[in-house]
Amino acid sequence: GAVVSQHPSWVICKSGTSVKIECRSLDFQATTMFWYRQFPKQSLMLMATSNEGSKATYEQGVEKDKFLINHASLTLSTLTVTSAHPEDSSFYICSARDSTSGSTDTQYFGPGTRLTVL
Amino acid sequence: GDSVTQMEGPVTLSEEAFLTINCTYTATGYPSLFWYVQYPGEGLQLLLKATKADDKGSNKGFEATYRKETTSFHLEKGSVQVSDSAVYFCALRRGGGGKLIFGQGTELSVKP
Repeated sequence: GAVVSQHPSWVICKSGTSVKIECRSLDFQATTMFWYRQFPKQSLMLMATSNEGSKATYEQGVEKDKFLINHASLTLSTLTVTSAHPEDSSFYICSARDSTSGSTDTQYFGPGTRLTVL
Repeated sequence: GDSVTQMEGPVTLSEEAFLTINCTYTATGYPSLFWYVQYPGEGLQLLLKATKADDKGSNKGFEATYRKETTSFHLEKGSVQVSDSAVYFCALRRGGGGKLIFGQGTELSVKP
């Protein structure tokens, strides 16, 4: 089946530094990818929709200057947390929609990236 | 706004027990409803779905019926196995844009 990878799987950084998380669709093309954030014991919250070759669409309340999204190719989207602070510590999950599938239900999820900001 | 509410976990069952995980939703119109499963260390996987009222989604022995009158989509399985231990997420999508709204997840632990 279709696989989505995320790198790194976990990262620890100092407050004030920037961290980049990669999301790759390994065996299919994805014009649309989604970035979610998950707090412990809570649901996944959609942060933004990433469209290949265009600007991402951010959900209300998500700072676009803090969470930079780049979707430069059909198989890669990156999320950069700029000037990270301890409150940014969370589990970040991406998903990718198979562009060749006729169904918008065909969305594949990555295993997530655990970010800890000291 | 749209929302999904699941029963709180963790849920602990013995092997071969009957499973029910409750899910209710709030949404305008007629959303599509989904159950996703997340096994340890893996990404979420679509378990089953239903796109209109009274539809029943089923997969791997799991079932859920789209109940418009009670705005519910409860997940059931007649006989759980240890390998079913995972976190289960109920979700809805309104329209075809692919944007999913998730419940908080329910952790299931099945003991031999």
